Amino acid sequence: AQTVTQSQPEMSVQEAETVTLSCTYDTSESNYYLFWYKQPPSRQMILVIRQEAYKQQNATENRFSVNFQKAAKSFSLKISDSQLGDTAMYFCAFMRRGAQKLVFGQGTRLTINP
Amino acid sequence: GAGVSQTPSNKVTEKGKYVELRCDPISGHTALYWYRQSLGQGPEFLIYFQGTGAADDSGLPNDRFFAVRPEGSVSTLKIQRTERGDSAVYLCASSPGQGAYNEQFFGPGTRLTVL
Repeated sequence: AQTVTQSQPEMSVQEAETVTLSCTYDTSESNYYLFWYKQPPSRQMILVIRQEAYKQQNATENRFSVNFQKAAKSFSLKISDSQLGDTAMYFCAFMRRGAQKLVFGQGTRLTINP
Repeated sequence: GAGVSQTPSNKVTEKGKYVELRCDPISGHTALYWYRQSLGQGPEFLIYFQGTGAADDSGLPNDRFFAVRPEGSVSTLKIQRTERGDSAVYLCASSPGQGAYNEQFFGPGTRLTVL
């Protein structure tokens, strides 16, 4: 079974700063996908970024980028030039290739202060 | 276009009662998922439908939980003899097809409170 661990329950930074959220996972699979989801107070989960395990290049989506270290089973999310609208719960998630279900971590509550 | 909708948004019931939670996926999405999110936790997978059939129900905690999707669109999650431990937010998601490249779009969830 796969497990996903987010060791930072809460983080807080000032607007415009850069923040990095940590995620580690445990799996015996070699082909899989990793995701970061954002859940604002409205509760609706939104996909932020996706990484394929077989790709060495780190995924980037505008201000969001990941640092994927496959050997270390680490998948951190970096948010550059943070904005007030980035305030939310952030969940790291794992999907085994060929499976359909997402396995989520416990989440990190990120607050961006003005 | 319209996103995934879930009704009711909040449901309060008494221990031992039966509840039904509804999910309306994005039109044309063939895959539908149910997750349960307990307070302070990440969502946990319950069941996945491809079309009308439950392709993976390995996350259903026990036989009090059942879900259907009779016409391959709307899905209903049914919980019998509710217990206080069933209190959680129940999230539904849909995707255009199977696989990691088909993004799962989530609804706002139904908050279930069992008194």
